Amino acid sequence: GEDVEQSLFLSVREGDSSVINCTYTDSSSTYLYWYKQEPGAGLQLLTYIFSNMDMKQDQRLTVLLNKKDKHLSLRIADTQTGDSAIYFCAESRHNQGGKLIFGQGTELSVKP
Amino acid sequence: ETGVTQTPRHLVMGMTNKKSLKCEQHLGHNAMYWYKQSAKKPLELMFVYNFKEQTENNSVPSRFSPECPNSSHLFLHLHTLQPEDSALYLCASSQVPAGIGDTQYFGPGTRLTVL
Repeated sequence: GEDVEQSLFLSVREGDSSVINCTYTDSSSTYLYWYKQEPGAGLQLLTYIFSNMDMKQDQRLTVLLNKKDKHLSLRIADTQTGDSAIYFCAESRHNQGGKLIFGQGTELSVKP
Repeated sequence: ETGVTQTPRHLVMGMTNKKSLKCEQHLGHNAMYWYKQSAKKPLELMFVYNFKEQTENNSVPSRFSPECPNSSHLFLHLHTLQPEDSALYLCASSQVPAGIGDTQYFGPGTRLTVL
């Protein structure tokens, strides 16, 4: 199908790890992105991974890419209440001029 | 601060009004975008401008009219909108539309309510 899919909700306890999953559709996608949106705000770029990589780590964030299954995940270590937000994955479709296709977003709720 | 600003942040308008949304980017980018974010739906790409030229119109109704006078500024002119057009309108920019450097940076959005 055309859609980038994410589960809608995730709830974790403060200090635990969070794993947000995403499946995308276009095997020619060059870049895959994670954005964070806090209430009332725009989208903040968190990290991205190039399609020839399997993993990228950036401080508390780890991105894993399984290109065979078209599966992307974002792991947040030591999740804090300030991480509560909606997280969007997006694929940059190479055969559509780099058009970004977004998932619906996963709402992460971090409980103290 | 992402280097992309949008004004106004909130706008309430009637269906017969004409208003404009403004976006400005201070990143030296050459591509700018308008997106619509409605509740419970993925972001919808509306328009793409590359070096001031419109390169994509994603089947957007003509009551939305974009304008890009230079690579730093993007407007969305609104007239005779419908209540279902109420949404968060996000502007983004990138160095180029595709390939290396196409990472998009977003503004804070304009929350539009059409009465």
